[in-house]
Amino acid sequence: QKEVEQDPGPLSVPEGAIVSLNCTYSNSAFQYFMWYRQYSRKGPELLMYTYSSGNKEDGRFTAQVDKSSKYISLFIRDSQPSDSATYLCAMNERGTGKLIFGQGTTLQVKP
Amino acid sequence: GAVVSQHPSWVICKSGTSVKIECRSLDFQATTMFWYRQFPKQSLMLMATSNEGSKATYEQGVEKDKFLINHASLTLSTLTVTSAHPEDSSFYICSARGAAYEQYFGPGTRLTVT
Repeated sequence: QKEVEQDPGPLSVPEGAIVSLNCTYSNSAFQYFMWYRQYSRKGPELLMYTYSSGNKEDGRFTAQVDKSSKYISLFIRDSQPSDSATYLCAMNERGTGKLIFGQGTTLQVKP
Repeated sequence: GAVVSQHPSWVICKSGTSVKIECRSLDFQATTMFWYRQFPKQSLMLMATSNEGSKATYEQGVEKDKFLINHASLTLSTLTVTSAHPEDSSFYICSARGAAYEQYFGPGTRLTVT
């Protein structure tokens, strides 16, 4: 079993839809949680970063962490074609620098 | 803020030659930088962790004599692929650790070895 599980998709939604992306993890020592967006042939871009359970909102993006269930989510409201990309969840333990990534979910937002 | 640059963005080299990739944190100091490799439609694979002023820590299976990493300053880390072979062709991405444990990634370098 991988430490971080993420459905690779692809996920296809119409423009304006609410998108839900999810990851589960098995290591209870993970304390820092990140979501990255990666366009084809580009480096990942940090979207959200949180270290506590609950919700964190930034514009159209909301990151949700449930440490008791070992489950994290990223919600995208009013999705746009420009949101079409691969979304990677990542997490790490306090005291280590290494990030553990999910496999990435490919999202396509159709106009 | 938190911008990381990489140079070059793409490079083609002949088999047997060496190529150097630079990673710079432009607006912050990074004591720790990371080097990743990514194959098409796959997630990132960590190659090594680079700490300023000390030797890099390589992941299992990564040849340290082939992938030379130098982190000489708080804003610059370099990856040199020595005696490159076609199987080294890949997308190489660096990242720099932020104030907490988040990482900021560079735009990547596409290496093609002919």
